[in-house]
Amino acid sequence: AQTVTQSQPEMSVQEAETVTLSCTYDTSESDYYLFWYKQPPSRQMILVIRQEAYKQQNATENRFSVNFQKAAKSFSLKISDSQLGDAAMYFCAYTITGTASKLTFGTGTRLQVTL
Amino acid sequence: GAVVSQHPSWVICKSGTSVKIECRSLDFQATTMFWYRQFPKQSLMLMATSNEGSKATYEQGVEKDKFLINHASLTLSTLTVTSAHPEDSSFYICSARTDRGQYGYTFGSGTRLTVV
Repeated sequence: AQTVTQSQPEMSVQEAETVTLSCTYDTSESDYYLFWYKQPPSRQMILVIRQEAYKQQNATENRFSVNFQKAAKSFSLKISDSQLGDAAMYFCAYTITGTASKLTFGTGTRLQVTL
Repeated sequence: GAVVSQHPSWVICKSGTSVKIECRSLDFQATTMFWYRQFPKQSLMLMATSNEGSKATYEQGVEKDKFLINHASLTLSTLTVTSAHPEDSSFYICSARTDRGQYGYTFGSGTRLTVV
């Protein structure tokens, strides 16, 4: 079974600084997608960034970037120039390709942003 | 685009009654929707996969007779919590897979259910 592990229950970063959230996963598949979702206090799940496993280039979205290490099955999220609005729960998620394929979530990392 | 609307956003019901939660894809067709449950400060736990026109697929340990799922159209899936009890109080979230632009999943805003 596929599993997603987030080993950092909580992280803290000062405003304008950079923070990296860790995620590892276990799979025997070769074609899959990885995601980072943000869940603010409103509890609305918001897609932060996605990575296709067959792409070697790391995905980036403005201040958010990933370090995708396929062989090591690692998928960390780097947030640069942290802002107060980045404070939230962050979930790493995995899915294989396919119409009915489900997302498997990690346990989440709570990110605090301090002044 | 790719918006999923979930209603109600919160509901309080008496123990023993049933509650229906709706999940609609507003601007796309969703042949597959997913229902999650989330306890405070925990991750999302998949309850079932809802397939349009067929029976839902439930995850191990989820009572299909308690959590009835109906996906009668390409834009609507419903979750009915039957004979609700206080232990069913939780946050329920629906999601749909979308191929709009890039492969991904869109989530509803969630429903907070409180059973008293």
